[in-house]
Amino acid sequence: QVRLVQSGAEVKKPGASVRVSCKASGYTFNTFGIVWVRQAPGQGLEWLGWISAYNGDTNYAQRFRDRLIMTTDTSTSTASVELRSLTSDDTAVYFCARCPATYPYDHGGQYFLDYWGPGQLVTVSS
Amino acid sequence: QSVLTQPPSASGIPGQRVTISCSGSSSNIGSNFVYWYQQLPGTAPRVVIYRDNQRPSGVPDRLSGSKSGTSASLAISGLRSEDEADYYCVTWDDTLSGPVFGGGTKLTVL
Repeated sequence: QVRLVQSGAEVKKPGASVRVSCKASGYTFNTFGIVWVRQAPGQGLEWLGWISAYNGDTNYAQRFRDRLIMTTDTSTSTASVELRSLTSDDTAVYFCARCPATYPYDHGGQYFLDYWGPGQLVTVSS
Repeated sequence: QSVLTQPPSASGIPGQRVTISCSGSSSNIGSNFVYWYQQLPGTAPRVVIYRDNQRPSGVPDRLSGSKSGTSASLAISGLRSEDEADYYCVTWDDTLSGPVFGGGTKLTVL
C-alpha cells in the first residue's frame, strides 16, 4: 500500500534552516509528484510547492520562492523540502502528499493529493 | 487573508443537510477545477471532492460538490457525527500561478 513516512519533530532557532524529508513506498516513485503543505497551530492549510519526481521540475508558492528548495532522490524514493531564514511564523506541521502531476502544465494535478504523510512538526523558537 | 473565502464555521443536527461555500474570482474558481478536503481532528486531510463534483472511491454519496461562476459549494446531506471536521476548498489561481486553499470551515454536528 502507498505510504509516506516523515521524520520526528524538530526545533529550530530563528534565522536557521530546516530540512524535512518524506520517504515514499508502495508505488513507483518517479511516476508521480510530491506536494508540500503546511499548517500552523490552529490555522488552515497552506500550499508550499510541488516537485515532479519524474524530472525534478518545481513550482513554489510565490511567497516562498526566495527561501524554499524542494528535491527528490529517486534512488531512495525520498522527497525533501528545505526552508531557510526561519521565523516564528514558520512554526507549523509540514505535510508531504502524493499528487499525479509530473509536468508543470498539469495544474489540477498539483492539488489532487491522494496520499498524505502524517506530518512533521517544526517549531521555530529562540 | 485567503484568496478563497469560506465561512469559518457551519453546523447542523444529525440527518440535516448543510452547505459550505467557497468564494473566489475569475482567476481561480472561475477558470479552474475546485477540490475539497476533509480534515478530521489530529489527522492529515483527505480529498472528498475533485474536479468540482467528482467523488473519489470510498467517499459516501452524501457528499456532493457544485460550482457556479466564481463560487463553489460542498453539500453534506444526512449529516452524521463522523462528518464533524474541518473542510477546505482549493483551486489553481492563474495570477499566483499556483494552488490556493480557502481558510477552512469547521463543521460541527450538534
